[in-house]
Amino acid sequence: DTGVSQDPRHKITKRGQNVTFRCDPISEHNRLYWYRQTLGQGPEFLTYFQNEAQLEKSRLLSDRFSAERPKGSFSTLEIQRTEQGDSAMYLCASTSTTGGLETQYFGPGTRLLVL
Amino acid sequence: DQQVKQNSPSLSVQEGRISILNCDYTNSMFDYFLWYKKYPAEGPTFLISISSIKDKNEDGRFTVFLNKSAKHLSLHIVPSQPGDSAVYFCAASDRDDKIIFGKGTRLHILP
Repeated sequence: DTGVSQDPRHKITKRGQNVTFRCDPISEHNRLYWYRQTLGQGPEFLTYFQNEAQLEKSRLLSDRFSAERPKGSFSTLEIQRTEQGDSAMYLCASTSTTGGLETQYFGPGTRLLVL
Repeated sequence: DQQVKQNSPSLSVQEGRISILNCDYTNSMFDYFLWYKKYPAEGPTFLISISSIKDKNEDGRFTVFLNKSAKHLSLHIVPSQPGDSAVYFCAASDRDDKIIFGKGTRLHILP
């Protein structure tokens, strides 16, 4: 297992279009997180899953955002009707319930640019 | 409201000298603190952590100090090496499943 992977690594889209990102966590990890990082900021929590259950959503996650983890393995994050303010790096991380916070491993991120 | 604050956006340090990165927090319920390192085009990677019951944790060249009364922690890197040039994030938590990050400090190690 090579770690957390994310696809695509880069996405350029026009305002109003929908985009979907995928995250494949480390295989034995049952917790999966999505973060957003904008320029000059640290990663901001968006949502997280334990297995297939979405346990928490940040107020940053507007109605245009939806995340799924249908079989408790990979996850998708969809943004509908993208806005320029959605331009950011979207990071995925995974960990296990038995691991400590320091075992939260991050993927390389998907950089989104909305024109 | 920023619960974890890194007030220095950047820091330049001569190779071989000590790098000191600072972090302040506002939430007194935080009981676990972490430092992450991030290179361009990569996700953050865990560096070192400290529980609120300790005031110091050391791992090789990296030492984290925690001052609970001041709600302040710092990361010391001694000696600084060129590969230490990166963005460093301070993070904190009051639960076992969620981390709050600061804005980061970009560290430049000068030759």
